[in-house]
Amino acid sequence: NAGVMQNPRHLVRRRGQEARLRCSPVKGHSHVYWYRQLPEEGLKFMVYLQKENIIDESGMPKERFSAEFPKEGPSILRIQQVVRGDSAAYFCASSPNQAGLSGANVLTFGAGSRLTVL
Amino acid sequence: GDSVTQMEGPVTLSEEAFLTINCTYTATGYPSLFWYVQYPGEGLQLLLKATKADDKGSNKGFEATYRKETTSFHLEKGSVQVSDSAVYFCAFLKGANDMRFGAGTRLTVKP
Repeated sequence: NAGVMQNPRHLVRRRGQEARLRCSPVKGHSHVYWYRQLPEEGLKFMVYLQKENIIDESGMPKERFSAEFPKEGPSILRIQQVVRGDSAAYFCASSPNQAGLSGANVLTFGAGSRLTVL
Repeated sequence: GDSVTQMEGPVTLSEEAFLTINCTYTATGYPSLFWYVQYPGEGLQLLLKATKADDKGSNKGFEATYRKETTSFHLEKGSVQVSDSAVYFCAFLKGANDMRFGAGTRLTVKP
């Protein structure tokens, strides 16, 4: 029973390139959350998605960042034209239902993808 | 704005020592509070939680009590083990989807 799988675990990009981070949620989970952890800082919420829908993207930078969770396949966090400030660990979490409404809050986190921009 | 402040690390203790990691929050109302733990190379795991004032969450010997008077949720353990070495994150749920995390406190327990 696999947990949340993120890949790649480590990604190195040069400035201006694109970064794609993938997240496969726990089997049966239809809610996905992306968080970013900058060096020496806590995790910051970026976006919450359900299958084929973005529910809350209030934490996403307005430019260069996008996320999707297609009907089939993993959720993708895409960063275009990366800059050094994008270097961070990106964590994905999934839950079987909306975290707040469930009361039990069963967010399951992946091990993260560490992006380094040269 | 709404935020979580937790004790800066790193924290280094000897085995069987008493652990306290402080956590305070700033938020409207009384949100659910959480402690997550991240072991090396792994994702965050829920350690314990409390959903209302005066609730005590506990798991694996760790405890934290929701104190609305001091807006705190300090993590404690009476006797730490080497296997407790990890990064600990305090968090609260803002609204339905936005889990707000502290910066994390790295704990190292030496034998």
